[in-house]
Amino acid sequence: TQLLEQSPQFLSIQEGENLTVYCNSSSVFSSLQWYRQEPGEGPVLLVTVVTGGEVKKLKRLTFQFGDARKDSSLHITAAQPGDTGLYLCAGAHSFGAGTTVTVRA
Amino acid sequence: ETGVTQTPRHLVMGMTNKKSLKCEQHLGHNAMYWYKQSAKKPLELMFVYNFKEQTENNSVPSRFSPECPNSSHLFLHLHTLQPEDSALYLCASSHPTRDRGYGYTFGSGTRLTVV
Repeated sequence: TQLLEQSPQFLSIQEGENLTVYCNSSSVFSSLQWYRQEPGEGPVLLVTVVTGGEVKKLKRLTFQFGDARKDSSLHITAAQPGDTGLYLCAGAHSFGAGTTVTVRA
Repeated sequence: ETGVTQTPRHLVMGMTNKKSLKCEQHLGHNAMYWYKQSAKKPLELMFVYNFKEQTENNSVPSRFSPECPNSSHLFLHLHTLQPEDSALYLCASSHPTRDRGYGYTFGSGTRLTVV
């Protein structure tokens, strides 16, 4: 099992602020996925990153894959209450423990 | 509607009961998975099926028994569970070459409580 560590564990910010969530591993991954999970529901796939150094944008969300393909980050610009949820990174059947993001109105 | 349907959504069972969880997808995926999600722990992979064949059993106790009759359906048969087995059980599907970046489609999960 390849271990994925996410930080921070919890993040609470005011609407309009920016935030960054990190996913790190000592292992190399051929791809990493980011998911968002809301209470009582299954995770929903946001993006997959495949190439080292790759940057993908999804509206206000920016995802980056490290050059060595061992780490990734998720940056949210001008966060909104609808961005509240548990953000999970995953690779090769393994999941990180997640970052719980709360955006206050 | 995520494309992966799990039933039931909630289940309370005694330690001596036998029950089954059901998962169904019509996305054309050929890989299906069972994950366990407990509070404050990462999702734990339980079983993997590719083209109806079990390709991974992640040291899961025998009180959990998976069944995959075809590429669209997956079951998890439960018997003589323990209270620590209480968790959210998630089914997912994907194209079989997951490491090429297709990602999972998850169901909404079954919230299981063992009393």
